[in-house]
Amino acid sequence: RKEVEQDPGPFNVPEGATVAFNCTYSNSASQSFFWYRQDCRKEPKLLMSVYSSGNEDGRFTAQLNRASQYISLLIRDSKLSDSATYLCVVLYNFNKFYFGSGTKLNVKP
Amino acid sequence: GAVVSQHPSRVICKSGTSVKIECRSLDFQATTMFWYRQFPKQSLMLMATSNEGSKATYEQGVEKDKFLINHASLTLSTLTVTSAHPEDSSFYICSARDMGGDYGYTFGSGTRLTVV
Repeated sequence: RKEVEQDPGPFNVPEGATVAFNCTYSNSASQSFFWYRQDCRKEPKLLMSVYSSGNEDGRFTAQLNRASQYISLLIRDSKLSDSATYLCVVLYNFNKFYFGSGTKLNVKP
Repeated sequence: GAVVSQHPSRVICKSGTSVKIECRSLDFQATTMFWYRQFPKQSLMLMATSNEGSKATYEQGVEKDKFLINHASLTLSTLTVTSAHPEDSSFYICSARDMGGDYGYTFGSGTRLTVV
């Protein structure tokens, strides 16, 4: 079983739409959680950390459910520039990162 | 913010040759750096953890004699793919953490290796 599972998509949405991605992780001892964004053939870049209480950064909202081992990312008012692959990342043992295979988002005009 | 520089960004080499990839932390010191590999449409997979002044820690299934890692200073780690073969063609990315950060790691820009 993979450490981190994500729906690969693609999610094709019009500009202005709200879209949500989910991610599940298998190790209940995982310590920290992140969403990274990866553009085609580029390196991943940190989008936001995910806190237990849920957190928001502009149009992006991340939530964590430790009981269900589930992480989500909500993007409101999608922009064309949001088109990318979103990676769910779980930190275990303080230095072991596990990456999901990513969810591809295409925002259409 | 923390910047990690990786070089080269792209390399094509002949089968059987060796390729060295450099990863530098530009404005912070990194006692630990990480090397990942990403095959098309797959997730990043941790290959090894590079420790300054000591031996690297390799993940299961990664050949340490094939993927040589040297972390000679607090700002530089190198990955050498020895006797490269076409199946080693992949996107290699390093990352390091600025201790002032929020557990977020900064990634290098990646190296696309093609072995022909």
